[in-house]
Amino acid sequence: DQQVKQNSPSLSVQEGRISILNCDYTNSMFDYFLWYKKYPAEGPTFLISISSIKDKNEDGRFTVFLNKSAKHLSLHIVPSQPGDSAVYFCAASASQGGSEKLVFGKGTKLTVNP
Amino acid sequence: DAGVTQSPTHLIKTRGQHVTLRCSPISGHKSVSWYQQVLGQGPQFIFQYYEKEERGRGNFPDRFSARQFPNYSSELNVNALLLGDSALYLCASSRYSGTGAAEAFFGQGTRLTVV
Repeated sequence: DQQVKQNSPSLSVQEGRISILNCDYTNSMFDYFLWYKKYPAEGPTFLISISSIKDKNEDGRFTVFLNKSAKHLSLHIVPSQPGDSAVYFCAASASQGGSEKLVFGKGTKLTVNP
Repeated sequence: DAGVTQSPTHLIKTRGQHVTLRCSPISGHKSVSWYQQVLGQGPQFIFQYYEKEERGRGNFPDRFSARQFPNYSSELNVNALLLGDSALYLCASSRYSGTGAAEAFFGQGTRLTVV
């Protein structure tokens, strides 16, 4: 039973265009969401997060949108750069659980073509 | 400042053996979590330790255990290794205060191969 789903295994975009990565979740107890980027042979790198009390958070070229009613979040990268090519993971946690357990999706491999 | 450091980076073990993986958190971080990542999947939560106490445990067998030391570093131990334990083991640290979530920062991982 996957509680966090990234239904697109891969995404290819042109340099300079927008990349939109999507994530859906099923557990209504999740109240904190994070995006990580992972290069081969490295650990995941934290990108951006959002609390469930917000619907948008922006940090430079990265913006995360949260639609609680649809249990959906997305990561927008504008403009996309070749160095953004990596696997992107969506993760969620439930603060009421008392632990910092992160539940991850399977990831989306983004390729930005020059 | 140093990030999360894990050792060793690669390890090959035989079925039935025991393994210990080590993690040093970012300075000032008191929470350490362990994750297992198999090929094609996202990281899966194993344990969280905060202030040397277990705060969370994932759905892993009792062969998996962990502890946190007074300097907040941590060890993950796996007994009676199975072929299916082959994976990338990730350690993450955070400023988790005991309430609410916080951004977790990951190390580069330990690649464990069981043969």
